[in-house]
Amino acid sequence: LAKTTQPISMDSYEGQEVNITCSHNNIATNDYITWYQQFPSQGPRFIIQGYKTKVTNEVASLFIPADRKSSTLSLPRVSLSDTAVYYCLVGDYSNTGKLIFGQGTTLQVKP
Amino acid sequence: DAGVTQSPTHLIKTRGQQVTLRCSPKSGHDTVSWYQQALGQGPQFIFQYYEEEERQRGNFPDRFSGHQFPNYSSELNVNALLLGDSALYLCASSLWTSGRSYNEQFFGPGTRLTVL
Repeated sequence: LAKTTQPISMDSYEGQEVNITCSHNNIATNDYITWYQQFPSQGPRFIIQGYKTKVTNEVASLFIPADRKSSTLSLPRVSLSDTAVYYCLVGDYSNTGKLIFGQGTTLQVKP
Repeated sequence: DAGVTQSPTHLIKTRGQQVTLRCSPKSGHDTVSWYQQALGQGPQFIFQYYEEEERQRGNFPDRFSGHQFPNYSSELNVNALLLGDSALYLCASSLWTSGRSYNEQFFGPGTRLTVL
């Protein structure tokens, strides 16, 4: 499975847009890019998933360039409650769903 | 619609003991995966069950074993506990559908295991 690299931590302020970039240089043709969010003492929660170009849902947007070697999770107008760890995952989940987590990015939103 | 539930919430054991953790999947889901999350680390895949069989296994020793019941619920058993087994154990459920383009997993709140 493709290895991912993302910043260990990021700080932001309420109301700002936050962009977290993930590098996955060895992504395979069948791999999808998935982002999970985890609050302290809770299990991870699926945020968004994409294969190429742009995906948007009610929570976030995911931007994937044509070469797919990186992706950017965009959180619009963050609030204090968005303080969490964000994980970027890459893999072919069509049959197995085995998720490989890295260390994630700890986002701290300040007032 | 109940999400993924796990029991117990917290557990304290001593080295050498055995522990059983339980998980009930989200309604409609038939696949259960277990993860171990050490403090400050991302979750690590232990194994996955579907149709009462272990389908995939991560890099964990045989001390870690599991079971899935006909109602899709699952147990994780750990024998001969070590101090290093202290972690948050997460259960995730999903729907096993061959050929789907992705597989969103729903996680439970976890069981915090402390080994003394």
